[in-house]
Formats: sequence, structure tokens, C-alpha cells
Amino acid sequence: AIQLTQSPSSLSASVGDRVTITCRASQGISSALAWYQQKPGKAPKLLIYDASSLESGVPSRFSGSGSGTDFTLTISSLQPEDFATYYCQQFNSYPLGTFGPGTKVDIK
Amino acid sequence: QVQLVESGGGVVQPGRSLRLSCAASGFTFSSYGMHWVRQAPGKGLEWVAVISYDGSNKYYADSVKGRFTISRDNSKNTLYLQMNSLRAEDTAVYYCAKVSVATITSYAFDIWGQGTMVTVSS
Repeated sequence: AIQLTQSPSSLSASVGDRVTITCRASQGISSALAWYQQKPGKAPKLLIYDASSLESGVPSRFSGSGSGTDFTLTISSLQPEDFATYYCQQFNSYPLGTFGPGTKVDIK
Repeated sequence: QVQLVESGGGVVQPGRSLRLSCAASGFTFSSYGMHWVRQAPGKGLEWVAVISYDGSNKYYADSVKGRFTISRDNSKNTLYLQMNSLRAEDTAVYYCAKVSVATITSYAFDIWGQGTMVTVSS
């Protein structure tokens, strides 16, 4: 079964910082990867699909890259509303919706 | 607007059963694969199960296989999760989620419900 790891598990950053989160798959998944943002008590929100496609309505400061086993989510200039937990998810093969363990971004 | 609303959560004793529902509106429900995802208190997201747009294909996480059954009624625009032989480790918020591309069973989830809490405790 495919497993996803994320690094770091948490990070502290300031408004305006550039933030990069990494997701690694245990085997190749082509570009079948999505990124979600989740705030406390809320459902996750889709940010990126197909590894690098920006979901409609998501600010352009969010971007994704990668293919195969290594992927990144970048926030070019962190805003106050971006403090949240971020999850990657693969949809290439069974288990069909595996999530990474998450990366919590909080205020430095 | 496009919306998913879960219901059916609550407190249940270990070994008992519970059925969750997810009512869909604002889109052609019968054209989209649907998933259940859960989140234990203070933990990350765990994928639970998926059903294809027409109900012909179903897949489960190993942790729930043989105990949970996913189903759908396209005439009622409703997704279900029948949970049997519940365990303490099934305690979580359960979300239903819509696949973002029609007729594809597994893809990014563009719409999520608000979640319903299931607590398994004696």
C-alpha cells in the first residue's frame, strides 16, 4: 500500500515568509496528488490537484510541484489566514485516498 | 449551492452499529464518485471508503474492511456509511467528500461536508 510522508511535521513562520512543505510517496504516483488546508473545527479545503493545478478560487500565492514520489507545496508570502494544517493526498492507487500525516503551520 | 450535509453521528457502545448519511445538493449527485474520510480527535485525516458514481465499485481501508459498508441512493441524492462492530478506535469526525471530476472514482475532493461526530464508548 502506498504511504505518504510529510516534512516538516510542524513549522513556525511569520507573515510574509515563503513556506515550503514536502510530501513523499512510498512509490511513484505520477501526478495524482492533491493538497488540502484544514483549520481547527473545519472541513479540509482543496488547494491543489494533479500536483500543480490551482483549484478555482484559491489565491495564487499557493503553488504545487513535483511528480513521481516527491512533491512540494509552496506558499510564496504567508498571510494571517494561512495558519492551518496542510495535508497531501494521493489518488493513484489503493488505498485510494491516502493522506499524509499533515504539517501544522503556526505563527512564529 | 453545492453542499454536502452529514447526519447520523452520536454516542454508541462498542460492538454496536450506526449508519451515517450524507445528503447532497447543488450538483448531479449520480455523476460523481463519493468518499468517506474520518479524523480522530487531535489526529490527521484517514481515508475510509469510496463508491463509484453508479455504485458498481466500492473500496475500503483495511481498518474498516468487513465492518463498514458504503452505499448510495442516487434517486435520493444520498450517500451512506453503515458501520457495524464499532470499536473505540472508530471514534472520529466522519466527513463525506465529492470527487471533483465526473465519473472518476478517485480524484481530488473538491466539496466536503461539515462532518458528523461518532463516539464509541461504553
